[in-house]
Amino acid sequence: AQSVTQLGSHVSVSEGALVLLRCNYSSSVPPYLFWYVQYPNQGLQLLLKYTSAATLVKGINGFEAEFKKSETSFHLTKPSAHMSDAAEYFCAVSEGSGGGADGLTFGKGTHLIIQP
Amino acid sequence: NAGVMQNPRHLVRRRGQEARLRCSPMKGHSHVYWYRQLPEEGLKFMVYLQKENIIDESGMPKERFSAEFPKEGPSILRIQQVVRGDSAAYFCASSAGRAYNEQFFGPGTRLTVL
Repeated sequence: AQSVTQLGSHVSVSEGALVLLRCNYSSSVPPYLFWYVQYPNQGLQLLLKYTSAATLVKGINGFEAEFKKSETSFHLTKPSAHMSDAAEYFCAVSEGSGGGADGLTFGKGTHLIIQP
Repeated sequence: NAGVMQNPRHLVRRRGQEARLRCSPMKGHSHVYWYRQLPEEGLKFMVYLQKENIIDESGMPKERFSAEFPKEGPSILRIQQVVRGDSAAYFCASSAGRAYNEQFFGPGTRLTVL
């Protein structure tokens, strides 16, 4: 079984400051990992994904995430926060076994607040 | 190139009525997933379908809920005899392949049960 834990339901940073959103996962097989962003009353948009290639993954809007197997983590970072980054962020895992269980397992989300 | 379409965007039902939620995947996608998002919660996987087949319905409640993805037309998530606890946002996603492929999400249907 797979699971995702996102530490901190709300994270507040100042505009221009570093953004760090934490995600830890558990999976019985090598996982595929994803970060999605959700703006109010909208669907989810993929920021980036890890699929067993490079451990440092770069995504859209200046975000990146590093897969650390030893720590079972996939934290999302951005060097300098912008007001437009305010949104809900979800970390998700898929085991991709191909035998079913292809649905994503999501964390509960982290609401990112940007202070002017 | 249209994205994933869902309709209606908002649906209000009284307890005991039926709710039908529709999802048209992106062009060329034959894999459809349904998720439910309760307030202050992440998305929960419900069901994974390919054309005319249910591949994984491990997240579907055993009663009142059903899903289909016919050869022609959109995927349908059907909730019979709705109860207040069914009030949630229901998201559909589509992909071109299995798990490592990106799932593209629709805007969701927000179901309110009175």
